[in-house]
Amino acid sequence: DAGVIQSPRHEVTEMGQEVTLRCKPISGHDYLFWYRQTMMRGLELLIYFNNNVPIDDSGMPEDRFSAKMPNASFSTLKIQPSEPRDSAVYFCASSPLAGGPGDEQFFGPGTRLTVL
Amino acid sequence: DQQVKQNSPSLSVQEGRISILNCDYTNSMFDYFLWYKKYPAEGPTFLISISSIKDKNEDGRFTVFLNKSAKHLSLHIVPSQPGDSAVYFCAASVTGGYNKLIFGAGTRLAVHP
Repeated sequence: DAGVIQSPRHEVTEMGQEVTLRCKPISGHDYLFWYRQTMMRGLELLIYFNNNVPIDDSGMPEDRFSAKMPNASFSTLKIQPSEPRDSAVYFCASSPLAGGPGDEQFFGPGTRLTVL
Repeated sequence: DQQVKQNSPSLSVQEGRISILNCDYTNSMFDYFLWYKKYPAEGPTFLISISSIKDKNEDGRFTVFLNKSAKHLSLHIVPSQPGDSAVYFCAASVTGGYNKLIFGAGTRLAVHP
């Protein structure tokens, strides 16, 4: 398996532009997570899905952020309009259904977003 | 409100010595704890975990200790190797919490020869 795939790996955009980050989870995994990593706050959970349904979006910073999972193999995180403070590394992770708490999450390589 | 705290942003250790990374949590409902390791330009990868019914879990050079009364856990790496140089994240979850993990801010470990 290729693991969790994220695209693009790097994104540089100007303030006010729309940004779309993409994620393909590991096949067969039922959970998908979006995280943001910053120097100040470390690794923050933004939103996660179970069987394509959003379960908890309490970590989404504001209405400018939205996430979708139209099918089991694809998810997007959109920022519109983008602001310089959104600059961070965004990770997508997936996890299998089986088991209980603390099931290992498998992370993608991340997208480094820079908003000028 | 940070429920999982890693108060040391960085740690420097000599090769061959012990590395001790610390993590504190505030939510007494947490019952499963994990450590993830992250190299530059890569995503975090799972390293070791511990259930709240245990106080120690060992995997090769890596041992995690849990002190529930103090709401504290630590990761020991013995002996430390240069390849261990990475950012280490502590994470916690609650049974039935839909696999939701709460991460700390991370500790950057540098192991020098």
